[in-house]
Amino acid sequence: EVVLTQSPGTLSVSPGEGATLSCRASQTISGNYIAWYQQKPGQAPRLLIYSVFARATGIPDKFSGSGSGSDFTLTISRLDPEDFAVYYCQQYRSSPHTFGQGTKVEIK
Amino acid sequence: EVQLLESGGNLVQPGGSLRLSCTASGFTFNDYGMTWVRQAPGKGLEWVSAVSPTGGTTYYADSVKGRFTISRDNSKNTLYLQMDSLRPDDTAVYYCAKNSGGYFGLLEYWGQGTMVTVSS
Repeated sequence: EVVLTQSPGTLSVSPGEGATLSCRASQTISGNYIAWYQQKPGQAPRLLIYSVFARATGIPDKFSGSGSGSDFTLTISRLDPEDFAVYYCQQYRSSPHTFGQGTKVEIK
Repeated sequence: EVQLLESGGNLVQPGGSLRLSCTASGFTFNDYGMTWVRQAPGKGLEWVSAVSPTGGTTYYADSVKGRFTISRDNSKNTLYLQMDSLRPDDTAVYYCAKNSGGYFGLLEYWGQGTMVTVSS
């Protein structure tokens, strides 16, 4: 089973600033099968990024993904109030399609 | 518009059973894999189970293997999760999700979830 470790657990950011979230896999994820999801309180998760880099439909370019091998990053530029949420990475390379434990981006 | 509506969540005693349903609309159901993901109160997401478009191939997390069974009825556009031998640590919101057509396991759309509580 692939274990995904996200850091930091909580990130305190001021509105208008940027944020960098990390996701490290316990083994190489070949084929770039890494996704990022956003979850706001009381809501279902929403797909943001897939295949490491690609933005899902309707996702603004303030969200960008990068990385390779076993280290992946989600970067959010110019945080707006609606961007404060919990973000999860997921690998869908092999079953079980595991999630990281999440990074909470909170208002500083 | 893709819609996924989960139902069947309830309060059940430890050792009991429950069947969740997820009714899909807005897409050709039998063309896509489907997945169940759960979230315990105040915790992160946990991938539970997935099924291929035809229902012929299924996948399970170790934590539920042998106790949960995923299935689908493509004639009814409905996904199921049969949960047996339930334990308190199965308490969670259960989400169903539509997989991407291009990438099995990539969760494009999610339902709003149904709450399962396992307690005496």
